Amino acid sequence: EPEVTQTPSHQVTQMGQEVILRCVPISNHLYFYWYRQILGQKVEFLVSFYNNEISEKSEIFDDQFSVERPDGSNFTLKIRSTKLEDSAMYFCASSEGGLRISYEQYFGPGTRLTVT
Amino acid sequence: TQLLEQSPQFLSIQEGENLTVYCNSSSVFSSLQWYRQEPGEGPVLLVTVVTGGEVKKLKRLTFQFGDARKDSSLHITAAQPGDTGLYLCAGLDNYGQNFVFGPGTRLSVLP
Repeated sequence: EPEVTQTPSHQVTQMGQEVILRCVPISNHLYFYWYRQILGQKVEFLVSFYNNEISEKSEIFDDQFSVERPDGSNFTLKIRSTKLEDSAMYFCASSEGGLRISYEQYFGPGTRLTVT
Repeated sequence: TQLLEQSPQFLSIQEGENLTVYCNSSSVFSSLQWYRQEPGEGPVLLVTVVTGGEVKKLKRLTFQFGDARKDSSLHITAAQPGDTGLYLCAGLDNYGQNFVFGPGTRLSVLP
């Protein structure tokens, strides 16, 4: 069964460093998403991406964040200058169609980012 | 931002018991989804409900979407230890812009 994969599973970085989290969405999906979950808190929407551009983003997704689909398979989340409060699980998800027509999204296993 | 509340926050029951968990909002959602999340893993989609009043069944799990599309429930019949996990509801607001998660109900089914 096709699945969303994410690498690395755990990333430790120092405050102020740049990190890139990688995701390989399900191959026939067209919509891609990033979420984060701070330990013990809710899953929070960060951004959605379609047709090589951001379609929606939350207030969390500020100028420190960027997303890219560098090739036909990868979808990345970059944090330019990490802060302690960026420590969280970051989940990538993908869906065949857009959420506005209730297409189901499938989540990857997550990358645990620890900023020290 | 539309909020989703879930109750109870924690639930511990014995194997074989029935249970219902709830997802509520003061706002209308165009659709609601239920997920189960294991520790250290991503949420796994269980079901999507779209129509007010809709009922969907997935083996021992029954999902209902409220008539006004502001609430949903998940009923588990004859719970098993394998049902243990964090149950999350999530929904797309009526403007189709914000996808929000509830805080979850952590279920523990004891053998």
